[in-house]
Amino acid sequence: NAGVTQTPKFRVLKTGQSMTLLCAQDMNHEYMYWYRQDPGMGLRLIHYSVGEGTTAKGEVPDGYNVSRLKKQNFLLGLESAAPSQTSVYFCASSLERGLADTQYFGPGTRLTVL
Amino acid sequence: DAKTTQPTSMDCAEGRAANLPCNHSTISGNEYVYWYRQIHSQGPQYIIHGLKNNETNEMASLIITEDRKSSTLILPHATLRDTAVYYCIVRRLANSGYALNFGKGTSLLVTP
Repeated sequence: NAGVTQTPKFRVLKTGQSMTLLCAQDMNHEYMYWYRQDPGMGLRLIHYSVGEGTTAKGEVPDGYNVSRLKKQNFLLGLESAAPSQTSVYFCASSLERGLADTQYFGPGTRLTVL
Repeated sequence: DAKTTQPTSMDCAEGRAANLPCNHSTISGNEYVYWYRQIHSQGPQYIIHGLKNNETNEMASLIITEDRKSSTLILPHATLRDTAVYYCIVRRLANSGYALNFGKGTSLLVTP
């Protein structure tokens, strides 16, 4: 049971390049999330998904797209990277039990945009 | 989510119990108390959560006061690997939305 895994761990992009971050979970969770964390700041929700084939915008969705074609995978895409997207990206998934939701996080992807 | 207040930092000697307090005096009816931690350069890690009763798992114990206005996370035998920022979060899924609001947390330093 690997939990939540993220690919790649590190990436350097030039402004205007595109890339896709992959998140995978093997816990059969319905909900998945993408957050970003900037130095000295808390996590901010980019997009989330409440089930296969569904996605929704979080707090800071601009410049990102997502897809959830399979229940276990959640992809985050940057179509045209900007230096402001330099950050650490965390994926999470959660198990819903009534009104309690426990989110489990991946190890993160460190992205630098030059 | 209810507002939480935590000390900015704490120290604990290795092998001793670490008791991390959290004040959530505005907690309402069915809001849960969650604890997460983030070790430097790693993803946040879920520790434990509770509603009214005290809870214990393999990582920690959670003590919630009877009036639910405060709680304490207890790491019974702290190790150097427990050095991290610990976050107390109060939320109820139906009212809180999907984003976890981590706040500032408590920076715990475990010393040899």
